[in-house]
Amino acid sequence: DTEVTQTPKHLVMGMTNKKSLKCEQHMGHRAMYWYKQKAKKPPELMFVYSYEKLSINESVPSRFSPECPNSSLLNLHLHALQPEDSALYLCASSRGTGLYEQYFGPGTRLTVT
Amino acid sequence: AQTVTQSQPEMSVQEAETVTLSCTYDTSESDYYLFWYKQPPSRQMILVIRQEAYKQQNATENRFSVNFQKAAKSFSLKISDSQLGDAAMYFCAYRSINRGSQGNLIFGKGTKLSVKP
Repeated sequence: DTEVTQTPKHLVMGMTNKKSLKCEQHMGHRAMYWYKQKAKKPPELMFVYSYEKLSINESVPSRFSPECPNSSLLNLHLHALQPEDSALYLCASSRGTGLYEQYFGPGTRLTVT
Repeated sequence: AQTVTQSQPEMSVQEAETVTLSCTYDTSESDYYLFWYKQPPSRQMILVIRQEAYKQQNATENRFSVNFQKAAKSFSLKISDSQLGDAAMYFCAYRSINRGSQGNLIFGKGTKLSVKP
């Protein structure tokens, strides 16, 4: 099973809302990632979790709050977002943060109104 | 810092023909990994092929093969017998061996491939 799942597929939220994105993998991977992807652009790394600990935060605004409750699950909590935060949010996982390929989920298309 | 350049924003190929997508990168490291990812309109990024820098042999995966020129820092992807399902955005990506990079993938800007029936 090389599947990374993400829910929801689509999310529309107002600037005052609080919502969460969910990512799950059951491949036994110990590294998980959040990426943000704008249209026709490559993914941009936001956060890296290694062994359930945050190891990289790429200067992401505090209105994005990641959480890794266990080795299979990764959440991204959203609060007070701006319209420019509208994008495709991709989750990925890999065996570790070494030279392993990353497996991506299908993404959540987020629209902030 | 490493950079990845894909100089072809868009490419087009006739079904059953062969197409080559270009990728160059800049690094001072001697060991690293290179990847080609495919992202169809359905959005999911799919790993197409990977190449370890220490291996001289070019990687192949069925109809997909790479031409890895380490000295020239070039990593092109060849798709043989193109199929309609190959239409997608293709991203070249670099991954450092440096532990401090924490597995960060450095992506090129992508090449949009169209396949004509």
